[in-house]
Amino acid sequence: NAGVTQTPKFQVLKTGQSMTLQCAQDMNHEYMSWYRQDPGMGLRLIHYSVGAGITDQGEVPNGYNVSRSTTEDFPLRLLSAAPSQTSVYFCASTRQGGVYEQYFGPGTRLTVT
Amino acid sequence: AQSVSQHNHHVILSEAASLELGCNYSYGGTVNLFWYVQYPGQHLQLLLKYFSGDPLVKGIKGFEAEFIKSKFSFNLRKPSVQWSDTAEYFCAVSGGYQKVTFGTGTKLQVIP
Repeated sequence: NAGVTQTPKFQVLKTGQSMTLQCAQDMNHEYMSWYRQDPGMGLRLIHYSVGAGITDQGEVPNGYNVSRSTTEDFPLRLLSAAPSQTSVYFCASTRQGGVYEQYFGPGTRLTVT
Repeated sequence: AQSVSQHNHHVILSEAASLELGCNYSYGGTVNLFWYVQYPGQHLQLLLKYFSGDPLVKGIKGFEAEFIKSKFSFNLRKPSVQWSDTAEYFCAVSGGYQKVTFGTGTKLQVIP
């Protein structure tokens, strides 16, 4: 099993550009989530999904969109990148949200100039 | 709404010293509690978790945590730290089958 995979590992964007961060898992987990990690702020939940076709907002959803068309994939879209979105982004999955261990991907380091 | 507080932002210890990292949570119902560790340059990994039963939970690498319901706390402990324990530690809470809220993290630096 590859676990949770994320691409790309590094990305530099200019303000206003859009892009999609990819996340995939091969563990048949129902629950997937996106976090951003910023120094001194821990991990903050952006969006999460409890299953294919179902998504919901977390603490910091503004400027991001998600969709969940399959159990395996949970892409995160930045609509119009801003410097405030410079961060490290982690995708995670688990069998059932809030109860079981979350498995994290290796992260994407995004810089917006 | 659930929340987590980690009061120690940066802890420096010498090898063999004992460790205790504080974690307090806010939630009105039954909680699930987690400690995750992030080694430099790596992603988060689970250290231990509490769902129910014995409030003293043992995890990997000699770590343990005690759930004290009356104090809304879930402190992480290790009797003797090693240089390889240098990492950032995150406490997390969830109220059942819901999203997980993470604390701001504690950076632990262990000096040989």
